Amino acid sequence: KAGVTQTPRYLIKTRGQQVTLSCSPISGHRSVSWYQQTPGQGLQFLFEYFSETQRNKGNFPGRFSGRQFSNSRSEMNVSTLELGDSALYLCASSLAGSGGASDTQYFGPGTRLTVL
Amino acid sequence: AQSVTQLDSQVPVFEEAPVELRCNYSSSVSVYLFWYVQYPNQGLQLLLKYLSGSTLVKGINGFEAEFNKSQTSFHLRKPSVHISDTAEYFCAVSPIKAAGNKLTFGGGTRVLVKP
Repeated sequence: KAGVTQTPRYLIKTRGQQVTLSCSPISGHRSVSWYQQTPGQGLQFLFEYFSETQRNKGNFPGRFSGRQFSNSRSEMNVSTLELGDSALYLCASSLAGSGGASDTQYFGPGTRLTVL
Repeated sequence: AQSVTQLDSQVPVFEEAPVELRCNYSSSVSVYLFWYVQYPNQGLQLLLKYLSGSTLVKGINGFEAEFNKSQTSFHLRKPSVHISDTAEYFCAVSPIKAAGNKLTFGGGTRVLVKP
């Protein structure tokens, strides 16, 4: 079974631009979560999507948004980029059965975003 | 709200020596506990998780962790490390009654295994 894939792997943008990151979950997984990893703040939860609906949300400004498609693939968008948005963005998928919080999350390799 | 503290940011250890990575958490609700490993330039991989039952949990690659509810700790151990265990290790929690996934991570512990 193929793992979680994220595209692109590397991205360079300038301040003020917007960016869209893509995540394809493991086949059969219905939940997709996004995390931001930075040296200063560590790993922080952005949001989780399940059945095309945002089910959980972290403490990030509205510039960060996402969506999930009917095939469970997910995209994350960041508008009006700031220097502080430079980070590794990780996507994780899980089966999201009845015990959602206990599900193992499988992480992709991440997208490295650099904002200049 | 939950918080996770990993008490050591870096742990140097010689090959074949034992290692212990410490994790303490704070939560007003019951949580599940997880340890993940991140190898250079890769995503995170689950090592083990505690859901319920025996407080000693065995995971992949010879790792184990012990849940201590009274001390709110979940320390990770390996009796004999290999060079390939050089990586960053993250402790995480998730509220049991949460609908879905929302992991809160600690700051990570970098393990450097020396020959």
